[in-house]
Amino acid sequence: TQLLEQSPQFLSIQEGENLTVYCNSSSVFSSLQWYRQEPGEGPVLLVTVVTGGEVKKLKRLTFQFGDARKDSSLHITAAQPGDTGLYLCAGLIYNQGGKLIFGQGTELSVKP
Amino acid sequence: SQTIHQWPATLVQPVGSPLSLECTVEGTSNPNLYWYRQAAGRGLQLLFYSVGIGQISSEVPQNLSASRPQDRQFILSSKKLLLSDSGFYLCAFWRVRFPGYTFGSGTRLTVV
Repeated sequence: TQLLEQSPQFLSIQEGENLTVYCNSSSVFSSLQWYRQEPGEGPVLLVTVVTGGEVKKLKRLTFQFGDARKDSSLHITAAQPGDTGLYLCAGLIYNQGGKLIFGQGTELSVKP
Repeated sequence: SQTIHQWPATLVQPVGSPLSLECTVEGTSNPNLYWYRQAAGRGLQLLFYSVGIGQISSEVPQNLSASRPQDRQFILSSKKLLLSDSGFYLCAFWRVRFPGYTFGSGTRLTVV
């Protein structure tokens, strides 16, 4: 069974602080995606990383895919209250119809 | 544009009653479709996926079933609901052009 371990599960910080969320697995994924979800809504895709060692930036968010394509991290610089939400990592399994395995999620709260 | 519609948004059903949740996709042909369940705002568990009409793969043995009677229609059903079927159900399709899932807005099911 392929699993994605996401940590931390909960994070409460003050506006302006930096944070990092980790996503680890013993399995290799063809790509890894990060989603953000607001309460009562479906997750929205933030980024897809495909190549081992790849780094992508989305404004204050930096995403990295591990060299072995088993792990990923999300770093937020100078967090804002608007960053509050549930962040989910998801690994794409090779040749299985686009099946994604999701981590348990990180619930982020940024206080003003 | 590609869109996904899921209904109803909320549902309260008694134990033992049947269930039918519907999901339709617009703006794309022959999409890969998925049903996920999310418990208590945490990670998503894949229930079923479909790569074509009448083709259903089940990921978790359970009280639920899925059907795909038309190319862009995906239905989640149960003959008799259990308390443990409560949760947030999400339908998604795989976007080919910008690879990743587009999720519906979800159905909050409470079995009482």
